[in-house]
Amino acid sequence: AQSVTQLGSHVSVSEGALVLLRCNYSSSVPPYLFWYVQYPNQGLQLLLKYTTGATLVKGINGFEAEFKKSETSFHLTKPSAHMSDAAEYFCAVSDSGGYQKVTFGTGTKLQVIP
Amino acid sequence: GAVVSQHPSRVICKSGTSVKIECRSLDFQATTMFWYRQFPKQSLMLMATSNEGSKATYEQGVEKDKFLINHASLTLSTLTVTSAHPEDSSFYICSAIHSAGSSYNEQFFGPGTRLTVL
Repeated sequence: AQSVTQLGSHVSVSEGALVLLRCNYSSSVPPYLFWYVQYPNQGLQLLLKYTTGATLVKGINGFEAEFKKSETSFHLTKPSAHMSDAAEYFCAVSDSGGYQKVTFGTGTKLQVIP
Repeated sequence: GAVVSQHPSRVICKSGTSVKIECRSLDFQATTMFWYRQFPKQSLMLMATSNEGSKATYEQGVEKDKFLINHASLTLSTLTVTSAHPEDSSFYICSAIHSAGSSYNEQFFGPGTRLTVL
C-alpha cells in the first residue's frame, strides 16, 4: 500500500519569496513520485517526477523537488514565487511497476501575496 | 503531443437522467485510462481503471452499475453516470497511459468535466 501526506492545506507566500510545499510518502517498494499543479476548473499538469537516479529533480516553471529516502520526503520548492504560481499542488506516488495507479495527496493551495 | 481531451467540459442535468462523458487521447494510443472524481477542495479519488477491450476495474465503494465505463478503442473511453442525483455532482477527470514511444507508460490528464445535477 502507498500513501501521501501533504502538510498544510494552505500556504501563503509573498511574491518573490521562497516556496516550500511539503510531501511525505509511504510505500513498500521504491516509489515513483510526482508533483502536479491544478489551476481552477482545470485538469492536472505534471510539474516534475522522480523515478530513479538523481534525487534532485527539476521541473517546469522553476520548480524542483528532492527525493530523500531517509526522510521519506519529496518536498517541492521554488526560489522566488510568482503571482502565476497561485494554484493547487498535488503530490502523488506510484509503485515501481510504473506510472500507472497513482495515489494523490490531499493537495496544498498556494496563495501568492503581491 | 500527448494531449487528452474531455467532452463536455461542463454539463448540467436533471436528477434521474444519464450523462455521458468522453475521454480521448488525441495524439497517442492508450490501452489504459483512469477515471477520477474530485470533490470541492479535495484530492482526486480514483474511481476505476479502464482497459481497452475489457471490463473496467472499479475501486472499492464505486458502484459499477452507476458509473458505466466503456473503452471501445485505443483512443476513447466513456464514463456514463446513470440516473444521476445531486450527490453525483462533481469534477470528473480522466487520464490516459501512453502506450508507446518516448512517453511510454506515462500518465496524461484531461482537463476535467464539471457535472452538476439539479
